[in-house]
Amino acid sequence: DQQVKQNSPSLSVQEGRISILNCDYTNSMFDYFLWYKKYPAEGPTFLISISSIKDKNEDGRFTVFLNKSAKHLSLHIVPSQPGDSAVYFCAASDGGPGTASKLTFGTGTRLQVTL
Amino acid sequence: GAGVSQSPSNKVTEKGKDVELRCDPISGHTALYWYRQSLGQGLEFLIYFQGNSAPDKSGLPSDRFSAERTGGSVSTLTIQRTQQEDSAVYLCASSLAYTISGERSQYFGPGTRLTVL
Repeated sequence: DQQVKQNSPSLSVQEGRISILNCDYTNSMFDYFLWYKKYPAEGPTFLISISSIKDKNEDGRFTVFLNKSAKHLSLHIVPSQPGDSAVYFCAASDGGPGTASKLTFGTGTRLQVTL
Repeated sequence: GAGVSQSPSNKVTEKGKDVELRCDPISGHTALYWYRQSLGQGLEFLIYFQGNSAPDKSGLPSDRFSAERTGGSVSTLTIQRTQQEDSAVYLCASSLAYTISGERSQYFGPGTRLTVL
């Protein structure tokens, strides 16, 4: 039973345009969401996160939006750059405010930014 | 400022052999996690250590898998009698146990690629 779903296995975007990566979840107990970026042969790198008490968090070119009623979050990258080409994983936690707990991951979306 | 380190980076073994994978977390991180990523899949949680508490072993796929964390730092994941379906990248992560800011990021090592022939 996949509690975190990334339904698009791949996405291709032109350099300079906006990349939108989507993620859906089913577990109402998730209260913290994270996006990780992964290059081949490397571990995932933390990108940006959002608490369930917010609906938007922004960090430079990266913005994460959370729609709790729809159990949906998205990651916007603007403008997209060739170095953004990687696999992006959505992850969720139910540990409670500020408390470490295991993450549940989606299957990832491979983003390719073309010139 | 060393990150999470894992060894070996690659391990090839024969079916039925035991393997040990090592993780060295970021200094000061009391929480340590093991995940694995099989081909074409997302990361799958295996086990979580937090300080002196009993580990959360709910993700271990069978009793052939075990892990320990000595002295609250280095962790070893052991797979006994390896099977071909154990082939995957095994990733270790660490984090602070609690943050006032509410941030819960986990920091990952580069992983160990295990191939069972």
